[in-house]
Amino acid sequence: GEDVEQSLFLSVREGDSSVINCTYTDSSSTYLYWYKQEPGAGLQLLTYIFSNMDMKQDQRLTVLLNKKDKHLSLRIADTQTGDSAIYFCAPNPGGGNKLTFGTGTQLKVEL
Amino acid sequence: EAEVAQSPRYKITEKSQAVAFWCDPISGHATLYWYRQILGQGPELLVQFQDESVVDDSQLPKDRFSAERLKGVDSTLKIQPAELGDSAMYLCASSGDNYGYTFGSGTRLTVV
Repeated sequence: GEDVEQSLFLSVREGDSSVINCTYTDSSSTYLYWYKQEPGAGLQLLTYIFSNMDMKQDQRLTVLLNKKDKHLSLRIADTQTGDSAIYFCAPNPGGGNKLTFGTGTQLKVEL
Repeated sequence: EAEVAQSPRYKITEKSQAVAFWCDPISGHATLYWYRQILGQGPELLVQFQDESVVDDSQLPKDRFSAERLKGVDSTLKIQPAELGDSAMYLCASSGDNYGYTFGSGTRLTVV
């Protein structure tokens, strides 16, 4: 099955950029999503990218996709304390409805 | 803004007891998912419904877990009997024509 890997922790200073990385194994994914989870809450869809795109920008968020290396990244510009959360990468292996979630990266934003 | 409703928000139960969770997806969403999220891990799919039919329940421990979506709208996930290892967040999500899932706030289950 699909294996999705993320680093566990990232700490940045407020105002800096954050880059969260994800690697996956199933090249048949057609969409790749980023979700945000705040403590004790459900997951909130942040953004997604089609597999035929290299980059997508959405306000402070930039998604980069390297399909050859099966590497996805999420860059958050001007990171704020409200961005502190766990971020999950989620491709859809096989191109269907089902998503496989990574282990999550906990982002801590320090003043 | 449309939401996925889940209840209860928190549940504490003794092991060997039965427990049930309820989910009401966004109106019109045909696909409904139940995920389990163990603390410190990503969500794992338990069961996927398309309308009232189960599409994927390959990861559902069927000896103790059951799920239904009788009229293709709301859904119930049941555990009987509960075990200590079932302590987790149970997340419901739904999807329609738009991309991605919409998740509910989840039910935090603690088995003691």
